[in-house]
Amino acid sequence: IAGITQAPTSQILAAGRRMTLRCTQDMRHNAMYWYRQDLGLGLRLIHYSNTAGTTGKGEVPDGYSVSRANTDDFPLTLASAVPSQTSVYFCASSALPGRDEQFFGPGTRLTVL
Amino acid sequence: DQQVKQNSPSLSVQEGRISILNCDYTNSMFDYFLWYKKYPAEGPTFLISISSIKDKNEDGRFTVFLNKSAKHLSLHIVPSQPGDSAVYFCAASISSGSARQLTFGSGTQLTVLP
Repeated sequence: IAGITQAPTSQILAAGRRMTLRCTQDMRHNAMYWYRQDLGLGLRLIHYSNTAGTTGKGEVPDGYSVSRANTDDFPLTLASAVPSQTSVYFCASSALPGRDEQFFGPGTRLTVL
Repeated sequence: DQQVKQNSPSLSVQEGRISILNCDYTNSMFDYFLWYKKYPAEGPTFLISISSIKDKNEDGRFTVFLNKSAKHLSLHIVPSQPGDSAVYFCAASISSGSARQLTFGSGTQLTVLP
């Protein structure tokens, strides 16, 4: 693989269910990010990780959790999905936090019914 | 309150002409700005960036202008090509601090007409 992969590509989920979106990068980037994209709102940062073992909250963290056990993987978990979490989710990474160019995965389209 | 604003949701331009996409920001602490391009069903891809110490950065057909006093940046595409049709997001960050995050605008859909 090259770059960032996300799984699944799309998912329909019943409200109240738990869901984990997977993200893997092979560029050995230190920083990773999760965004959600909603019409008219652009991309909003959910959580980020500046380096393996650390995570931080972004603009819209409520209802989501992340972990960064190693450099390559950065899963996003919805503990109990709600319809307002219907969105397209993008994972991204950068060599250095914030300032550097961020590389994005292809996205996961999530629908919560 | 959005700190990065793209007030034009869409823009149509004839092939070969100039496309100008605009972006305004409110946070004077932002000192690094980027433009991303996004095709349907794909993730955004980096296009061009500019530091606040510059007022212009050029890369081929793409030029970004920064007007710090007006808190405004623009992306010029000359000449525009049908393959440039995409959603363009501007983003800004603060280079100091422990968590240097990107704040994105809402995007502008550019359509280049053949």
